Amino acid sequence: AQSVTQLGSHVSVSEGALVLLRCNYSSSVPPYLFWYVQYPNQGLQLLLKYTSAATLVKGINGFEAEFKKSETSFHLTKPSAHMSDAAEYFCAVSDGTGANNLFFGTGTRLTVIP
Amino acid sequence: EPEVTQTPSHQVTQMGQEVILRCVPISNHLYFYWYRQILGQKVEFLVSFYNNEISEKSEIFDDQFSVERPDGSNFTLKIRSTKLEDSAMYFCASRTSGTTGELFFGEGSRLTVL
Repeated sequence: AQSVTQLGSHVSVSEGALVLLRCNYSSSVPPYLFWYVQYPNQGLQLLLKYTSAATLVKGINGFEAEFKKSETSFHLTKPSAHMSDAAEYFCAVSDGTGANNLFFGTGTRLTVIP
Repeated sequence: EPEVTQTPSHQVTQMGQEVILRCVPISNHLYFYWYRQILGQKVEFLVSFYNNEISEKSEIFDDQFSVERPDGSNFTLKIRSTKLEDSAMYFCASRTSGTTGELFFGEGSRLTVL
């Protein structure tokens, strides 16, 4: 079974500061890992995904995440926060088999302070 | 850019009534999903659908729920007799074939059961 744990339901950063959103996964097989973003009143949009290629994955809007097997982590980072980054961020895992269902974490709400 | 569309965006219903939520997946996609998000909670997998049948379903997807692809373009979720606890945002998603294919989500249908 696959699951992810997101540490911190709310994270606040100042504009221009580093963004770090934490995600740890549990999987009995090599996982596929995803970060999705949800802006207010919108659906889920894929930021980036790890599918067993390069461990450092770059996504849209300047975000990146590093897969660390030894730490079972897939933390999301961005060097400099922008006001438009304020949103809910979800980490998700799948095992890449069958229907490739995604299992989501509880989400982290990012607030950017001007 | 192709997108997943969902209707209605918001539906209010009385407890015990039947509700049908509709989705038009991206046209060349083969796998279809319903997820739900109860306010303040994580996004939960309900069901996946492939080749005109259910691939997997979660414990949430009990006999009150059903899915259908009636005409080759729409993908519907029916709740036969709604309960208060069915109040949530319901997301439809679709993807192409292949195990690394990302899920594309619609903007969601908010269901409020009174």
